[in-house]
Amino acid sequence: GQNIDQPTEMTATEGAIVQINCTYQTSGFNGLFWYQQHAGEAPTFLSYNVLDGLEEKGRFSSFLSRSKGYSYLLLKELQMKDSASYLCAVPDNYGQNFVFGPGTRLSVLP
Amino acid sequence: GAVVSQHPSRVICKSGTSVKIECRSLDFQATTMFWYRQFPKKSLMLMATSNEGSKATYEQGVEKDKFLINHASLTLSTLTVTSAHPEDSSFYICSAPGTGEYEQYFGPGTRLTVT
Repeated sequence: GQNIDQPTEMTATEGAIVQINCTYQTSGFNGLFWYQQHAGEAPTFLSYNVLDGLEEKGRFSSFLSRSKGYSYLLLKELQMKDSASYLCAVPDNYGQNFVFGPGTRLSVLP
Repeated sequence: GAVVSQHPSRVICKSGTSVKIECRSLDFQATTMFWYRQFPKKSLMLMATSNEGSKATYEQGVEKDKFLINHASLTLSTLTVTSAHPEDSSFYICSAPGTGEYEQYFGPGTRLTVT
């Protein structure tokens, strides 16, 4: 089965950089996703990593180390609107649905 | 991109009544859809996989007689919460796989409150 862990809450200041970590243990590996979810809304796709290394996309970057079972999401130049939950997720063994981590609630303070 | 809709977005019902939530793929066909439940400040937990033309597959611990799933067509899946209780109050989200590998489209969610 899959087991995913993330910090529950984080706080950062507007304009700063924050790194949200995710560790996982899976019986197979088909890549790792990061989603952003504002309260009361559906998750929105941020990134997908299947190979080791850093993928940069604007203010958001995602890193993966398959050997360590570790990923992080890096948010730069934080804005108030970045206050949300950030979920890492891996596809299940059949590759169709996702197993989600517990989510990290990020609060961006002025 | 592909769009998945849910209806209603919010619903309040009394204990003992049943509530139906619809999930539609608006511009693509989905032979499979997934239903998730999310309690406050918690992550999404898969409840069941809805299969067009066949029975749904339920995750361990999810009562199939309480959470009735019907995948009536290639664009519609419904989740009916029967004999609702306050502990069923939650955020219910559906998703459908896209054409790309591991691609998923999530609906906007339905907030159910049982009084």
